[in-house]
Parts: sequence; C-alpha cells; structure tokens
Amino acid sequence: DTEVTQTPKHLVMGMTNKKSLKCEQHMGHRAMYWYKQKAKKPPELMFVYSYEKLSINESVPSRFSPECPNSSLLNLHLHALQPEDSALYLCASSQVPAGGPGQYFGPGTRLTVT
Amino acid sequence: RKEVEQDPGPFNVPEGATVAFNCTYSNSASQSFFWYRQDCRKEPKLLMSVYSSGNEDGRFTAQLNRASQYISLLIRDSKLSDSATYLCVVNRQGGSEKLVFGKGTKLTVNP
Repeated sequence: DTEVTQTPKHLVMGMTNKKSLKCEQHMGHRAMYWYKQKAKKPPELMFVYSYEKLSINESVPSRFSPECPNSSLLNLHLHALQPEDSALYLCASSQVPAGGPGQYFGPGTRLTVT
Repeated sequence: RKEVEQDPGPFNVPEGATVAFNCTYSNSASQSFFWYRQDCRKEPKLLMSVYSSGNEDGRFTAQLNRASQYISLLIRDSKLSDSATYLCVVNRQGGSEKLVFGKGTKLTVNP
C-alpha cells in the first residue's frame, strides 16, 4: 500500500488564523516531506524530517512550523499567513536514504489565505 | 544553467503515437532519477525510477546517460489516459533527500 493521506483537502483561512495541516503514512517510511506547489509550477521543497528529526528547512518563513509527532505523522502548523501563501501543500514520504524507490505524495491540501 | 531542464512542450499527439521527453541535469553528483506524472489539480505520482541500464514498464521506457547528464522517457502507443504533465526529477546530490523537479512537460493525447 503506497498511500499517504492528508487532511483537510481544502482550507480557507484568514491572515490572523491558526490552523494545522496533517499528513499520515503507514508504509514504514522514515523520511517525510512538506512541499508547496503554486499553479503551473513544480513542487518546491519546504521541510524534510528524517527519523522524526528536522533535517532540512529550505529557509521557510517562521509562520510555517512543522512537527513530526511520530514516524507515521507529520503536521504543518500555520499562523499569520499571507495571501501569497495560497497554494497546494503536498506531503510526501520515502525510505531513508531517499534514493531508489522515490517519494510518494499525498493528495495535498489546497490552501486559500484571505 | 538550471538544475533540471525539460522540453518546454506542450506536446499534442494522436492516440497510438510514440512520444519522447528529454531532460538534462546539471549536478554530476546526482544519483537518483525519476519520472513523475501529475494530472491537473492532483498530486505527482511516481511513474518510474530511471537506471543507467535503462528500464521499461509496459509502454514506458526510461533511459539515463550519466556522461551526458541526460534522461529520457519514451511512451509508445499513447492512450488518452496518458494526458498529464510529466516531471523529470533528480536528487540534488548522492544520498540526499532533496529532490529537484523540472518544470514539467504537458502531454495531451487526442482521439
């Protein structure tokens, strides 16, 4: 089963709201990722967790805060976002190291910031 | 030079056609290579990994030329369901979890 699930599917939030995106996988993968994708652009890496520890932060603004409670779960906490943060947020997972079979993506959360 | 460059497309082909996508990458230390497909408003889905020996999965054939830093994807007997954007993906350096995505090439297969 190569499934990564994400909730919610859609999210509309104001600039003063606090919300969280959730991601789950049960493939035994020990690396999990957050990507941001704008329309007609490729996904852009935001964060990588490897063995539940943050290993890569691609200079993401602090209004995005990742959390990895355990090896199956990944959260992205959102606070004081800007309208330009509206995008599709994708979670992915892979074996460690990430070569070989590649990364598997969840269906994404489509975020609109008003 | 961009890290991963693909044919800009779009490609419009009739059903049954053979279509080839090309991709070049700039980091010679890259060790993992993939093709993903992404349907409109959906997530990228792993199509196949690419190996130096070349690999085939049904109608799809992927090739890697490390000397030229070139990757290709060939789709034979194209189907309407092959219509999607095809993303060439390379890891930034050996063993790294950082994947770099090409901008993608949009394919439309027409009846």
